[in-house]
Amino acid sequence: GENVEQHPSTLSVQEGDSAVIKCTYSDSASNYFPWYKQELGKRPQLIIDIRSNVGEKKDQRIAVTLNKTAKHFSLHITETQPEDSAVYFCAASKGGGSNYKLTFGKGTLLTVNP
Amino acid sequence: GAVVSQHPSRVICKSGTSVKIECRSLDFQATTMFWYRQFPKQSLMLMATSNEGSKATYEQGVEKDKFLINHASLTLSTLTVTSAHPEDSSFYICSARGGNWGESYNEQFFGPGTRLTVL
Repeated sequence: GENVEQHPSTLSVQEGDSAVIKCTYSDSASNYFPWYKQELGKRPQLIIDIRSNVGEKKDQRIAVTLNKTAKHFSLHITETQPEDSAVYFCAASKGGGSNYKLTFGKGTLLTVNP
Repeated sequence: GAVVSQHPSRVICKSGTSVKIECRSLDFQATTMFWYRQFPKQSLMLMATSNEGSKATYEQGVEKDKFLINHASLTLSTLTVTSAHPEDSSFYICSARGGNWGESYNEQFFGPGTRLTVL
């Protein structure tokens, strides 16, 4: 089955700096890569996603890049703010017979220091 | 749009009892629903996938007789934890996939989660 590795497990940055979280996946058939932000005790919130037919996607301060050849994708947050502090999860899925199930990385605890 | 609710949000029960958790898609018909378990400071682990009207598909290591899943309609799935024990205490989260709506066909919409504590 699919295996998603995520690094780093913790990341501490100063407000205004950039943060980068990286994930690798094992199944070359995976074609959908969402990123979620989860605050303590809350549901995961989709912040950005990318499909395999696109190499990069940006939404204001958040961007995701995908390298299908190397099977890795990254989340970039620019101009970080204290409210960006949370746990971030990457995930991968493929369609068809797998029912589009998501395989999650282990998460990155991001702390943005004022 | 695309709202998923879960009930209850929090439950405390005695060891040996059964607990039912409901997951509802409020404004769309869910082709597929998923149940996850999340232990403190850990990732979401998929327990099972269910499609309306058919038996759930359980992930390896998940006891299907202990975690009963029913997906009776396109808007409701239930997870029953039978004979709960303290080690079943966890955060249970459901999600729903709407179907083949253009670019949204992969996206899962998550419920707010249920905190289960077994004494």
